[in-house]
Amino acid sequence: KAGVTQTPRYLIKTRGQQVTLSCSPISGHRSVSWYQQTPGQGLQFLFEYFSETQRNKGNFPGRFSGRQFSNSRSEMNVSTLELGDSALYLCASSFTGANTEAFFGQGTRLTVV
Amino acid sequence: AQRVTQPEKLLSVFKGAPVELKCNYSYSGSPELFWYVQYSRQRLQLLLRHISRESIKGFTADLNKGETSFHLKKPFAQEEDSAMYYCALTGFQKLVFGTGTRLLVSP
Repeated sequence: KAGVTQTPRYLIKTRGQQVTLSCSPISGHRSVSWYQQTPGQGLQFLFEYFSETQRNKGNFPGRFSGRQFSNSRSEMNVSTLELGDSALYLCASSFTGANTEAFFGQGTRLTVV
Repeated sequence: AQRVTQPEKLLSVFKGAPVELKCNYSYSGSPELFWYVQYSRQRLQLLLRHISRESIKGFTADLNKGETSFHLKKPFAQEEDSAMYYCALTGFQKLVFGTGTRLLVSP
């Protein structure tokens, strides 16, 4: 079966701009989670969506937002980009949530200049 | 609060040597613990979870609630085990990762 697909793979944006990242989960998976991965902080949880509802949110500012569509595809948006937002953003899907195996996408590498 | 601690950033061993990747956690409830692995140029993937009590690729991990630990062990390391290993804990629908340990197995 097809894996988790994230688009685009790479992005370069300037400070102050906004960006939207997309994640298509594995067919049948209803939970989508987003993580920010940086060398210094490792993997940090952003938020989790299940059946179009945000069930959990990490400790990130309100500039980070997300949504999930009826087909379980998810998007995350970062507004007013800062240099510190440069990171690899990973999406993971699972059947029902964190207690089931998470399948990760290859990530979107965001560089803010 | 949920927290996962992996004290070693890098663990370097020779092929055939035993390996132990340390993981300690803090969580107020009954946690579910996982080990995820990321090989070079590959996606992050599940290695094993404590409830399955399986041995995957020769790796095992035992949950020690008294010591709040979930160390990953393998008796004889192989070069193909070289990768980044993340311990993770789940609770309240949130998967929390440690900062990871890079395992380097030299010939």
